[in-house]
Amino acid sequence: GESVGLHLPTLSVQEGDNSIINCAYSNSASDYFIWYKQESGKGPQFIIDIRSNMDKRQGQRVTVLLNKTVKHLSLQIAATQPGDSAVYFCAEVNTDKLIFGTGTRLQVFP
Amino acid sequence: DTAVSQTPKYLVTQMGNDKSIKCEQNLGHDTMYWYKQDSKKFLKIMFSYNNKELIINETVPNRFSPKSPDKAHLNLHINSLELGDSAVYFCASRFYYSNYGYTFGSGTRLTVV
Repeated sequence: GESVGLHLPTLSVQEGDNSIINCAYSNSASDYFIWYKQESGKGPQFIIDIRSNMDKRQGQRVTVLLNKTVKHLSLQIAATQPGDSAVYFCAEVNTDKLIFGTGTRLQVFP
Repeated sequence: DTAVSQTPKYLVTQMGNDKSIKCEQNLGHDTMYWYKQDSKKFLKIMFSYNNKELIINETVPNRFSPKSPDKAHLNLHINSLELGDSAVYFCASRFYYSNYGYTFGSGTRLTVV
């Protein structure tokens, strides 16, 4: 069946370092991908998206990379801050729905 | 504030009871969703409605019955609650012809005891 995500439950980084969160997807026909951030007690919040005709997209302190050859996505967060601590999900847009990956918890320590 | 609002935020109930969760969005979106997030944080789609019409039903037990009285509201009624129904339920909405702008509510934590 379709699936998105790798088993990387927790990533611990020091404040100020860069973070890289990875995700794999299985549906090569998907043409749109989104990264979400979920803080404790809140719903997923949009961070950045990318279309399949792109390899890279940059936002404010975040960059998403897409490697269609190996069906891999990554989210890079520059100069990670305590406020970045959350669970991060990649999601694949498939017809009318989002299919989420398993999520990665990012912990930022001083 | 423009938002997707869910009520209640917390719901604790006994097995066998019937309960409802409500969702409202004032974003003008025409498509709404219910997602279930389990204890391992995995988010899985349950239902989707477009302009009050059911368009996605992801093999959810028929104890779960969504209802959309208008395109701004999508409620979820659950009959005969079971322990395994304990989870966080998220409502979301978007414009149907846009892949952008999925907006999520803050969730309803359902605990069945």
